[in-house]
Amino acid sequence: EPEVTQTPSHQVTQMGQEVILRCVPISNHLYFYWYRQILGQKVEFLVSFYNNEISEKSEIFDDQFSVERPDGSNFTLKIRSTKLEDSAMYFCASSREGGTEAFFGQGTRLTVV
Amino acid sequence: GQQLNQSPQSMFIQEGEDVSMNCTSSSIFNTWLWYKQDPGEGPVLLIALYKAGELTSNGRLTAQFGITRKDSFLNISASIPSDVGIYFCAGQIQGAQKLVFGQGTRLTINP
Repeated sequence: EPEVTQTPSHQVTQMGQEVILRCVPISNHLYFYWYRQILGQKVEFLVSFYNNEISEKSEIFDDQFSVERPDGSNFTLKIRSTKLEDSAMYFCASSREGGTEAFFGQGTRLTVV
Repeated sequence: GQQLNQSPQSMFIQEGEDVSMNCTSSSIFNTWLWYKQDPGEGPVLLIALYKAGELTSNGRLTAQFGITRKDSFLNISASIPSDVGIYFCAGQIQGAQKLVFGQGTRLTINP
């Protein structure tokens, strides 16, 4: 069964460093998303991406964040200068169409120290 | 912004019991989704609902899209130990791609 895959599973970084989280969405899906979940809290939307551009973003997704689809299979989230409060699980998701069920990856646990 | 209120926050039940949880909102949603999350894992899609009044089953799980489009419930019948986890409702409004998640219901089952 096709699935969304994310790497790495766990990333520890120093405050102020840049991190890149990587995702391979399901191959025939057209919409890609990043969500985050702070420990013990609900899942929060960050950004959606369609047709090689951001289609929707939340207030969390400020200038420190960027997304890219560098080739036909990968979808990345970059945090330019990490802060302690960026520590969370980051989930990539994809869907065939907008407004339909999104399938999530296993997540990357980001720890900023 | 849109908010989903999910209840109960946690449930402690005996194996074999039925479970019911729900989500409500003051906003109208076009799509309701129910996910299950195990510790350290990503949310796994259980059921998707697209029409007001729709009742959909997936094995022992049944979910309904409320007539007002502002609520949804999930029932689990005859619970088993592997049902343990956190269940999230998620909604999508017309024209938006993002999912708005509820706070989750943590299900614990005593054997």
